[in-house]
Amino acid sequence: DQQVKQNSPSLSVQEGRISILNCDYTNSMFDYFLWYKKYPAEGPTFLISISSIKDKNEDGRFTVFLNKSAKHLSLHIVPSQPGDSAVYFCAASVIQGAQKLVFGQGTRLTINP
Amino acid sequence: GAVVSQHPSWVICKSGTSVKIECRSLDFQATTMFWYRQFPKQSLMLMATSNEGSKATYEQGVEKDKFLINHASLTLSTLTVTSAHPEDSSFYICSARDPRATLYEQYFGPGTRLTVT
Repeated sequence: DQQVKQNSPSLSVQEGRISILNCDYTNSMFDYFLWYKKYPAEGPTFLISISSIKDKNEDGRFTVFLNKSAKHLSLHIVPSQPGDSAVYFCAASVIQGAQKLVFGQGTRLTINP
Repeated sequence: GAVVSQHPSWVICKSGTSVKIECRSLDFQATTMFWYRQFPKQSLMLMATSNEGSKATYEQGVEKDKFLINHASLTLSTLTVTSAHPEDSSFYICSARDPRATLYEQYFGPGTRLTVT
C-alpha cells in the first residue's frame, strides 16, 4: 500500500528552465509534507516543507504547492541549475503523534547544460 | 540545519555475525530518532522509531529480535543487525527531529552501507 507516490521515476530539464516534480498521497490524515534531495550513498537533505493549512511555501528557487482536495503536491525549482541534479523524495507526516515520515519512490532529476 | 552523524559509513561483515551502527545528534538532543533502510533504486522505508529511555517501536514486518535498537542517551541511538545475512545488505539511514525547530522536518545522517558476504 503505497501511501505516497511519485509517478515519474525520472525527469530531464534544461538548465535555466523550471523543474516541476509531482507527488500524490492517499492518506487524508497527512498534514505535513516535505521534500528532500538525495545524492547516491548519502542521507537525504531537507529542502522545503509545507503544512496542510497552507497551499504554497516558497524558499528561494524552491516553491512547494499543495492541493489538498486533489491530495497532490509539487515542487517547483526555478531556474534549474546543474547542481540540482539528484533524486528528489517527497514525504508526508502526521504532526500529532509519532511524526513518522512516509516517503515516495523518488524522482531522479537531471539538469542538462 | 541540525547535524546528525552515523558511524561507520560502510561496513562489510560475514554472514552470521552482528553489526552495530551508531547514530548521533551532534548539536541537539533528540528524544526520538528514526531508522530507515533503502534498497537500490527504491524508496526509504521506515524500520523503527527509537525512543530515548524506552523500547523502540517497530514497523510491521521488521523483526525486532534481528534489528536491535538502543537509545540510551538523548544524542545516541544504535542499530544492531544480529546474525546478518546477505539479504540484510542495504543502506541504513537514521534521522532525528530537532525539538528546538519550529518546523517538523527531520534531519538525516549520511547513511551506512552494509554488505554481508
